[in-house]
Amino acid sequence: SQQGEEDPQALSIQEGENATMNCSYKTSINNLQWYRQNSGRGLVHLILIRSNEREKHSGRLRVTLDTSKKSSSLLITASRAADTASYFCATAGGSQGNLIFGKGTKLSVKP
Amino acid sequence: KAGVTQTPRYLIKTRGQQVTLSCSPISGHRSVSWYQQTPGQGLQFLFEYFSETQRNKGNFPGRFSGRQFSNSRSEMNVSTLELGDSALYLCASSFLDRVNGYTFGSGTRLTVV
Repeated sequence: SQQGEEDPQALSIQEGENATMNCSYKTSINNLQWYRQNSGRGLVHLILIRSNEREKHSGRLRVTLDTSKKSSSLLITASRAADTASYFCATAGGSQGNLIFGKGTKLSVKP
Repeated sequence: KAGVTQTPRYLIKTRGQQVTLSCSPISGHRSVSWYQQTPGQGLQFLFEYFSETQRNKGNFPGRFSGRQFSNSRSEMNVSTLELGDSALYLCASSFLDRVNGYTFGSGTRLTVV
């Protein structure tokens, strides 16, 4: 079953604009991870934020985590056409180490 | 440093047949997980192996099985294939997954006809 729900399901922006994707989840977590997937290929790990962290940066990526609201957001600044992909949040929690994925946000960045 | 290698990349099988997919993790990674991705159900966890032991299993029927070898390479097997098994099967390996996350392979696209 899905744990995370991304919002929006699809997002279309122009190059140079910022893209914000949101993720909500249901149960307690150890960490939350964001992945990118290009056109039906494998997933690429972008960033991991632990449950005791509130914000994390990596290059043009900024992730926030609000455990009280069970939500996270991924901000991609100054988007490029190469950022066009599907983005998934995934939670890891409890005694089980497996990831539970949301359904993803499909981002399209137009040149 | 080689990534996670999955073979084959594409596979077409007939209903009722069985299939074996292979995954070679990144050198030094002892944890290997398998996921199924379909348009309808999204990404769903199949199972995880660590040091040749199944550590965790998702909610899939017994037709789905896997194993891990002493060199950490893993295989998953699906018996008595059904049309609904058509999916992208992704393998992921990890070293300290709770710190570093997972590295995924490019997947095996299985089509059941």
